[in-house]
Amino acid sequence: GAVVSQHPSWVICKSGTSVKIECRSLDFQATTMFWYRQFPKQSLMLMATSNEGSKATYEQGVEKDKFLINHASLTLSTLTVTSAHPEDSSFYICSARSGNTPYEQYFGPGTRLTVT
Amino acid sequence: RKEVEQDPGPFNVPEGATVAFNCTYSNSASQSFFWYRQDCRKEPKLLMSVYSSGNEDGRFTAQLNRASQYISLLIRDSKLSDSATYLCVVNMEYGNKLVFGAGTILRVKS
Repeated sequence: GAVVSQHPSWVICKSGTSVKIECRSLDFQATTMFWYRQFPKQSLMLMATSNEGSKATYEQGVEKDKFLINHASLTLSTLTVTSAHPEDSSFYICSARSGNTPYEQYFGPGTRLTVT
Repeated sequence: RKEVEQDPGPFNVPEGATVAFNCTYSNSASQSFFWYRQDCRKEPKLLMSVYSSGNEDGRFTAQLNRASQYISLLIRDSKLSDSATYLCVVNMEYGNKLVFGAGTILRVKS
């Protein structure tokens, strides 16, 4: 149980285009989903927290107009990187938490984004 | 000061060795503590939670010292498959968000 999927697993796009990443909880309802970014040899950095049906809460330094998050249902959250630039190239990982596990998060397999 | 600090390593150990990782955290009000394991280019996976009384899961033992704001992970009888990056993770009091350390690299060699 507690499986989280992400799609796509990797994507290459041109500078200036937008990319959408999907995060799905497959066998549980995720009241909260988190989006992280990880640069090479660095740790995961939380970008934003999203609760189903409400606006995401962004961490300091993360541009909400550039990283659009939609959590429209209890099993799906999307992250759209708008007008991507090469410095946005990174490993994007989502995680999900159900109401029953207040501290435990289940991670998706990640999406590797390369902007050329 | 970083919220969660770890020695990045790498720790290079032979199979069968015992190895210990340490981690310190800055927020004394932190509530929950975890060790995650991350393999290269993969997502982190929960290894174990860390409790005040200490806890053991097979070859892995985790300890928490709240007074010193210090967490440890001990791996006994290291296997080749233990090679990975070990992430110390702390749940901060505010916002229920997890804060990750940068990780400690372990390489177990035959």
